[in-house]
Amino acid sequence: DTAVSQTPKYLVTQMGNDKSIKCEQNLGHDTMYWYKQDSKKFLKIMFSYNNKELIINETVPNRFSPKSPDKAHLNLHINSLELGDSAVYFCASSSGNSPLHFGNGTRLTVT
Amino acid sequence: DAKTTQPTSMDCAEGRAANLPCNHSTISGNEYVYWYRQIHSQGPQYIIHGLKNNETNEMASLIITEDRKSSTLILPHATLRDTAVYYCIVRVATNSGYALNFGKGTSLLVTP
Repeated sequence: DTAVSQTPKYLVTQMGNDKSIKCEQNLGHDTMYWYKQDSKKFLKIMFSYNNKELIINETVPNRFSPKSPDKAHLNLHINSLELGDSAVYFCASSSGNSPLHFGNGTRLTVT
Repeated sequence: DAKTTQPTSMDCAEGRAANLPCNHSTISGNEYVYWYRQIHSQGPQYIIHGLKNNETNEMASLIITEDRKSSTLILPHATLRDTAVYYCIVRVATNSGYALNFGKGTSLLVTP
């Protein structure tokens, strides 16, 4: 009965590889987000999709490309991974003014 | 969005009330005050939010000053499981979603 689920939980890969993180929510929300939490623990918004349309795109390199096949899914594809991409990535969802519900994160380690 | 200021860390004895302050002196009239917490290795968890009036739910109480320039999150009977980083955020909410910008938060340690 997990509300916001992310896969994988852990991802270890080498520089230059391309990887994807998947997110699904079963709350019926119409807005989904990707956040990045770096080693200093700052949590920053990356993207937001509302009804499959991109509405927030903070200054994120073009190597990051979100894809929303439907309202319940928001996947994050990362090309040409760099060491600085190592972080915990959190997916979240909301609807209207409802609070954000977060997944438990994907810990990405780039070696 | 209005900026918030929180103490870096706080301690609280188990069973006592934990009072976490937040200053948001530049808050505008249509901005809500949200509180989230992040327990180690987990995603942030919503606690409570309010606009002008004090709010209470099963997790906590939120006290907002009359001028709205500061607020206090109260955990009435802290337990060891309340040890976490607590974030105070102010934001305008819209029907098309909103992005919460998390600051450094307050690291609350509940001790036996």
